[in-house]
Amino acid sequence: EDKVVQSPLSLVVHEGDTVTLNCSYEVTNFRSLLWYKQEKKAPTFLFMLTSSGIEKKSGRLSSILDKKELFSILNITATQTGDSAVYLCAVVRSNSGYALNFGKGTSLLVTP
Amino acid sequence: EAGVAQSPRYKIIEKRQSVAFWCNPISGHATLYWYQQILGQGPKLLIQFQNNGVVDDSQLPKDRFSAERLKGVDSTLKIQPAKLEDSAVYLCASSSPGLKRGADTQYFGPGTRLTVL
Repeated sequence: EDKVVQSPLSLVVHEGDTVTLNCSYEVTNFRSLLWYKQEKKAPTFLFMLTSSGIEKKSGRLSSILDKKELFSILNITATQTGDSAVYLCAVVRSNSGYALNFGKGTSLLVTP
Repeated sequence: EAGVAQSPRYKIIEKRQSVAFWCNPISGHATLYWYQQILGQGPKLLIQFQNNGVVDDSQLPKDRFSAERLKGVDSTLKIQPAKLEDSAVYLCASSSPGLKRGADTQYFGPGTRLTVL
């Protein structure tokens, strides 16, 4: 059975801190790994990763994938209160019809 | 570009009642997904449509859940009869292989929060 495990499950930091969120996976026929941010209801897309070692970056957020060790990290630098959300990691299998297999998420709270 | 639309946003019903959710995907997106997200969990796939055909419904509890996408555009998810454990947010998502990011990237609607009492 496929597994997507995120850690930590929750995290509280102060504004300005840097955080690293982890996602490990055990999936047959791996195709891609995606990160989403969920603030209230609808998850919004952050990154899609398919190749090892290539960092994706968007502003203060960045992510990288290690296909040998089967994990990905999401970094957020200089955190702001607006970064408070649940961050979801999901994996796509190449024979799955592109359905997303999600982890439980990491709940991040950034305090002023 | 309009996003994925869902209605209603909230629904409260008694157990054993019926409920239906509606989703209209992004225009031109051939693939539509329904996910169930229980509090504290990540979304779990219920059913996937490609145009008006079902691609994957292996995790849909077919004794009480049904879904259709008759004209390959909007979709309805129904629960009949509802159980307490069906309380969750029901998310609809769509994707298109023609997008720059490809079929992997799904765009989500705001969801419907269902409470079963």
